[in-house]
Amino acid sequence: DIQMTQSPSSLSASVGDRVTITCRASHNIKTYLNWYQQKPGKAPELLIYAASSLQSGVPSRFSGSGYGTDFTLTISSLQPEDFATYYCQQSYNMPRAFGQGTKVEVK
Amino acid sequence: QVQLVQSGAEVKKPGASVKVSCKASGYAFTSHAITWVRQAPGQGLEWMGWISAYNYNTNYAQRFQGRVTMTTDTSTSTAYMELRSLRSDDTAVYYCARGDMLTFGGFAPPPPAEYFHHWGQGTLVTVSS
Repeated sequence: DIQMTQSPSSLSASVGDRVTITCRASHNIKTYLNWYQQKPGKAPELLIYAASSLQSGVPSRFSGSGYGTDFTLTISSLQPEDFATYYCQQSYNMPRAFGQGTKVEVK
Repeated sequence: QVQLVQSGAEVKKPGASVKVSCKASGYAFTSHAITWVRQAPGQGLEWMGWISAYNYNTNYAQRFQGRVTMTTDTSTSTAYMELRSLRSDDTAVYYCARGDMLTFGGFAPPPPAEYFHHWGQGTLVTVSS
């Protein structure tokens, strides 16, 4: 099975900061990588699919990049509504594993 | 608009079974697979398995093999996830999600990429004696 490892597990940031979250796959998954945002008590929301495609309606401050085993999610200027937990997920094969999550907290 | 509406919260005793439903609307039910994901309290997302609403093929995570059954009822556009022999560590919110596929063009294109844009609201299953 492919393992997904995110770093850091949590980070503290301020509004306006540039935030980068990393996701590493244990095997080459090409661009079969999705990013989700989850707020407490809510279902996850899709941000990025296929490593770098921005889901319709998602603000352009979110971007994704990477290929193979190393991927990043970048928030160019953190907004108050972006404090949440972020998950990567591979869709290269099954089981479609998620990363363990990265919690973005207020500094 | 696409909606996935799940059944209500459940409280079960250890050893019992639970069956969670996910009623779909706003799209052709058999055109998309349904995936089940769970989240234990304070923990991350865990992929449980996948069912094709078209041909009923399933794929379950190894750790749930033998304990989980995913089914669909095309007459009511509803997907079901049954988990048996419940333990306290099965206490979690269970989500269904619709699989969307990004297809690639060109000669000999690679397999499509699945992603989850539409999710149910979640069903809390509590396992307690």
